[in-house]
Amino acid sequence: RKEVEQDPGPFNVPEGATVAFNCTYSNSASQSFFWYRQDCRKEPKLLMSVYSSGNEDGRFTAQLNRASQYISLLIRDSKLSDSATYLCVVNGSGYGNKLVFGAGTILRVKS
Amino acid sequence: DAGVTQSPTHLIKTRGQQVTLRCSPKSGHDTVSWYQQALGQGPQFIFQYYEEEERQRGNFPDRFSGHQFPNYSSELNVNALLLGDSALYLCASSPWTGSNAQHFGDGTRLSIL
Repeated sequence: RKEVEQDPGPFNVPEGATVAFNCTYSNSASQSFFWYRQDCRKEPKLLMSVYSSGNEDGRFTAQLNRASQYISLLIRDSKLSDSATYLCVVNGSGYGNKLVFGAGTILRVKS
Repeated sequence: DAGVTQSPTHLIKTRGQQVTLRCSPKSGHDTVSWYQQALGQGPQFIFQYYEEEERQRGNFPDRFSGHQFPNYSSELNVNALLLGDSALYLCASSPWTGSNAQHFGDGTRLSIL
């Protein structure tokens, strides 16, 4: 079983749609959680951290369920520029630990 | 404020050769991590350096080695290159303490012929 699992998609949605991505992780000791965005042939860029209480950044909302070891990302009012691969990322406990990436979920927003 | 910089951008090598990739971390960051990303996959952790020592290592063979310099920059060395080593190699930096979010460089795209 992979440490971080995501639906690879692709998710094909029209502009303005709301889309949700889910992710599960296997290491119950994980302490930090992130969503990264990666454009084709580019480096991953931090989209947002994910907190236990849930957090929002503009059109993006992230949720964490520690009991179920489940992370989600909701994108409202999708834009063409949201088309990318979204990587679910988990970090271990303590300082300076490695990031464990899911394989990514592909989002394609169409006009 | 310069972000994470990597060199070279692209590299073509043949099987059996050796390669060295370089990374300069973001200003204020003292920890450097290296990742390998094969096509269609998420990045896979290779190893992490802090205070010029390898602190953690992923599931990669000894052909993969690294170094960190006093100015926090780092090198990734791969010996005896295999076709399967073809990938995007990403360097990420972060502070050792505080938030664990890491910032990535543009990567080095390595092709093995």
